[in-house]
This record gives sequence, structure tokens and C-alpha cells, in this order.
Amino acid sequence: AQSVSQHNHHVILSEAASLELGCNYSYGGTVNLFWYVQYPGQHLQLLLKYFSGDPLVKGIKGFEAEFIKSKFSFNLRKPSVQWSDTAEYFCAVNGDSGYSTLTFGKGTMLLVSP
Amino acid sequence: GAGVSQSPSNKVTEKGKDVELRCDPISGHTALYWYRQSLGQGLEFLIYFQGNSAPDKSGLPSDRFSAERTGGSVSTLTIQRTQQEDSAVYLCASRRSGYGGELFFGEGSRLTVL
Repeated sequence: AQSVSQHNHHVILSEAASLELGCNYSYGGTVNLFWYVQYPGQHLQLLLKYFSGDPLVKGIKGFEAEFIKSKFSFNLRKPSVQWSDTAEYFCAVNGDSGYSTLTFGKGTMLLVSP
Repeated sequence: GAGVSQSPSNKVTEKGKDVELRCDPISGHTALYWYRQSLGQGLEFLIYFQGNSAPDKSGLPSDRFSAERTGGSVSTLTIQRTQQEDSAVYLCASRRSGYGGELFFGEGSRLTVL
């Protein structure tokens, strides 16, 4: 079975601070990895994804994530956060093939103070 | 429509009553997922439909929960004899056929069981 662990449930940062949200997954085979974001009052939307190739992937709004296979990690980073990045962030894993369930972590609530 | 549509957006019911939640996926998307989102619990997988294959029901928490998908399109999630612990936001997502594609989420149906 696949599982996802997000290290922090709540993160509070000031604008311009750097961000790194931890995500570790448990699965023995090939995986697809995702970060989704849910802004206040909005539906979940895709931030970025990794399928194969370059382990450093770039997403929308200046976010990036690095897949480190040896550590089973897919941490999300942004060098300088903005107030508008306040949202809940979910890491997700999809094992073996695309035709399987997408398992989400419990989410990290990010609050950016102006 | 352009996105995943869910109804009702809010449902308040009394304990013991049955409820039906509807999801209309993006046209042409063959995969459909139901998740449950509770405060602090992240997204809990419920059920997954892929084309004409038998659905993956492994996430349904009890036999009070069931779902069907008619004609490969609209899906209905039914909760019988609702309990207070069923209170949550029920999210539907769809995906275009293919390997590991992005999930598109609806706005969710917020269920409150009194």
C-alpha cells in the first residue's frame, strides 16, 4: 500500500521568507508525485507534478519540488513566499501506473504574514 | 461544463437519514474519484472508477457508503443512515484517460449531520 507523510501541519512565515515543505512517501515501485494547493474558499488545484526525467520540477507561481528517490522524498520549495501563497498544500503519490488511486498526505497549512 | 460539478454544495441532514451527493465530471474524462476531506485529516480516498472496469471500493469506510457511475459519466455517492462522524466535505475529481494525468477537483459537497 502507498502512503504519504507531510512533516508539518502548520507553517507560519513572513513575506519574502523561503519555504520548504517536507513530503515523504512509502511505496516500493515506480511513482508519480504531485503537489496540490487549496487556496481559501477554492477547490484543489495542481501545483506541480513529477512523472520521470529531471527530478527537479517547476510548477506555477515560482514553486518547485525535488524528487529524491533514495530518500523517498518530494519536498516543495519556494525561495520567497508572498501573502497570496497562504493556502493548504497537499502532497500526493500515485503508484505503479496512472490507473491507480492517488493517495494524499494530511496537508500543510501555510500562513504568510504581510 | 468546463469543470467538475458537484451538488449539493451544502447539505444538512439529521442523523439516520440517507443522503445522495452528485458529481458531474469533465466531459471525456474516464477516471472519477471520490475523496472525503475532514479537518486535520487531509483527503481520505473513498472510491475510484476507471472506464468500464470494476470500481476500486477499498476506501469506503463502511457498508453504509456506496457509489455508482452511470454511463461512464455522472456519479452518485450515497450515504445511508448518516452518522455525525460522516460530517465532512466530499470531493469529486476526474481525470482524462492516460498515464498519471492531473486530477481536476470539484468544489465539494459539505455534509453536516446533526
